[in-house]
Amino acid sequence: DGGITQSPKYLFRKEGQNVTLSCEQNLNHDAMYWYRQDPGQGLRLIYYSQIVNDFQKGDIAEGYSVSREKKESFPLTVTSAQKNPTAFYLCASSKDRGAGANVLTFGAGSRLTVL
Amino acid sequence: GQQVMQIPQYQHVQEGEDFTTYCNSSTTLSNIQWYKQRPGGHPVFLIQLVKSGEVKKQKRLTFQFGEAKKNSSLHITATQTTDVGTYFCAGPDFQKLVFGTGTRLLVSP
Repeated sequence: DGGITQSPKYLFRKEGQNVTLSCEQNLNHDAMYWYRQDPGQGLRLIYYSQIVNDFQKGDIAEGYSVSREKKESFPLTVTSAQKNPTAFYLCASSKDRGAGANVLTFGAGSRLTVL
Repeated sequence: GQQVMQIPQYQHVQEGEDFTTYCNSSTTLSNIQWYKQRPGGHPVFLIQLVKSGEVKKQKRLTFQFGEAKKNSSLHITATQTTDVGTYFCAGPDFQKLVFGTGTRLLVSP
């Protein structure tokens, strides 16, 4: 079955450590996105990528970094510069470039807790 | 940038009661999408509306896109416990999708 796989599902980190969240899709989708969700809150866009080797900052990119070396993969690194990293991180993809006209498919999410 | 607001933030109903959530955008939208997120889960696409004044139904769910294409609503008739979750609307902003603040629905049996 096609879909998006995020790992790990749960992650604990000490302050000052960088962590990388994995996102892999086998849907052959062009575009991929990272959203952050805080308890009781909506989804805020961190980074997005329309094609391989290209990505753009979303609304809350500070303290995060991404790469898009392969079409299937869009890992997110939460750096020590991110002041409040504890959150639920959701990876998504859309078939074509431009999420505006395309439906997003989401992964199951990664829950990061900073101790 | 574009902002998408939803009201109410939270609603608790008895099973069998109706429920409505409203979505308002600061800009005119080319289309609007609705997603549902079950507790502990991830958002799942429900529907997309494109035309001004469009109304679409999915069983007990009725979705409406405003005439000015700046607002939308989702109405659930006779809620069931399976309707529990957070409902998000989302509108396009150039290459990305901006999500509303969400409405969390609780249904008591």
